[in-house]
Amino acid sequence: AQSVAQPEDQVNVAEGNPLTVKCTYSVSGNPYLFWYVQYPNRGLQFLLKYITGDNLVKGSYGFEAEFNKSQTSFHLKKPSALVSDSALYFCAVRDTPNAGNMLTFGGGTRLMVKP
Amino acid sequence: EAQVTQNPRYLITVTGKKLTVTCSQNMNHEYMSWYRQDPGLGLRQIYYSMNVEVTDKGDVPEGYKVSRKEKRNFPLILESPSPNQTSLYFCASSLSSGNEQFFGPGTRLTVL
Repeated sequence: AQSVAQPEDQVNVAEGNPLTVKCTYSVSGNPYLFWYVQYPNRGLQFLLKYITGDNLVKGSYGFEAEFNKSQTSFHLKKPSALVSDSALYFCAVRDTPNAGNMLTFGGGTRLMVKP
Repeated sequence: EAQVTQNPRYLITVTGKKLTVTCSQNMNHEYMSWYRQDPGLGLRQIYYSMNVEVTDKGDVPEGYKVSRKEKRNFPLILESPSPNQTSLYFCASSLSSGNEQFFGPGTRLTVL
């Protein structure tokens, strides 16, 4: 069975500092990995995805994520945090197509960027 | 405007009274899905649909039904709601299960 873990319930960072939101996964085959962001009282918005290719994936709003197969991780990063980045972030995984089409989300990490 | 719509946005009901939450997308997406969001548990997939008349269970399907008679619509049915189904529900759609999903605005359901 596939699973996703986001080990930190909350990450605090000062504006202008780099940020990292952690995600590890478990699948039987090759993963499809996604990051989504949720602002208060809103639905989720897509940030970026990894399917294959370059391990460093660039996404919306200056975010990027690095796929690390040996560590089964897909951490979300941004070089310089903004107060407006404060939100709830979700990592999600899907196993290779022949293993099913279910999408599994992590529990979410709340990012707080202080001015 | 490309979007996923859900109705109602808020619903308070009583145990056992059947209800339907509608979901519609205007992007001609094949893959549609329902999730529930609960504090500390993230999003859990209830059901998903690969295409018309093709549906499958997600992580937490108990107590829910879905149907996909048309490509654009994917209603969520609670035949006999119970208080443990009080939650925030999201519908989402995508071109396929490997593509990014577009989420609706959410439906906050309270079952008394």
